[in-house]
Amino acid sequence: DGGITQSPKYLFRKEGQNVTLSCEQNLNHDAMYWYRQDPGQGLRLIYYSQIVNDFQKGDIAEGYSVSREKKESFPLTVTSAQKNPTAFYLCASSMGRTPTGELFFGEGSRLTVL
Amino acid sequence: AQRVTQPEKLLSVFKGAPVELKCNYSYSGSPELFWYVQYSRQRLQLLLRHISRESIKGFTADLNKGETSFHLKKPFAQEEDSAMYYCALIHSSASKIIFGSGTRLSIRP
Repeated sequence: DGGITQSPKYLFRKEGQNVTLSCEQNLNHDAMYWYRQDPGQGLRLIYYSQIVNDFQKGDIAEGYSVSREKKESFPLTVTSAQKNPTAFYLCASSMGRTPTGELFFGEGSRLTVL
Repeated sequence: AQRVTQPEKLLSVFKGAPVELKCNYSYSGSPELFWYVQYSRQRLQLLLRHISRESIKGFTADLNKGETSFHLKKPFAQEEDSAMYYCALIHSSASKIIFGSGTRLSIRP
């Protein structure tokens, strides 16, 4: 079954704890992205990576970190520095290092901070 | 700054009525614009792109550079069109895609 897999689907975290969201793709896509989806604010880009071992900050990178050690994996860590981490997180990938417009999305991970 | 604006958070129309989801953008140069859709319990997916000038599921969108708009239209709404719709453009750096805030379309029977 090809595509993008995000895990876990639901995650609860206590304040002050870091948490890592997993994103794996078997599409052999070069670029991967993390978006945050909040009601009324749409999708906001957190981080993106065009090639292995390289990534760039998006519009709301503060309080987040990523790594891209393998082409198929792009985990996102939500650190305790993120002031409002409760949100729905979407991972996506695209063929080629520059987007042609078609992003393939995962099912998302909903993080709730208690 | 490059930006995509969707002024309507919610649009509710009756089945069979025309639909127009508004999208305005700010961009210097020639933008590449897209509409994405997210049906209930499904993944966000590409609906159409302006360069293709295609009609998907009865939807069309025309790029109007003079008005900097890319509105999504359908002449006769169907109940299965109920979904969240996002307008998006490729940033001039060609490295990322910027999304609007989304419009929830609700089709009433």
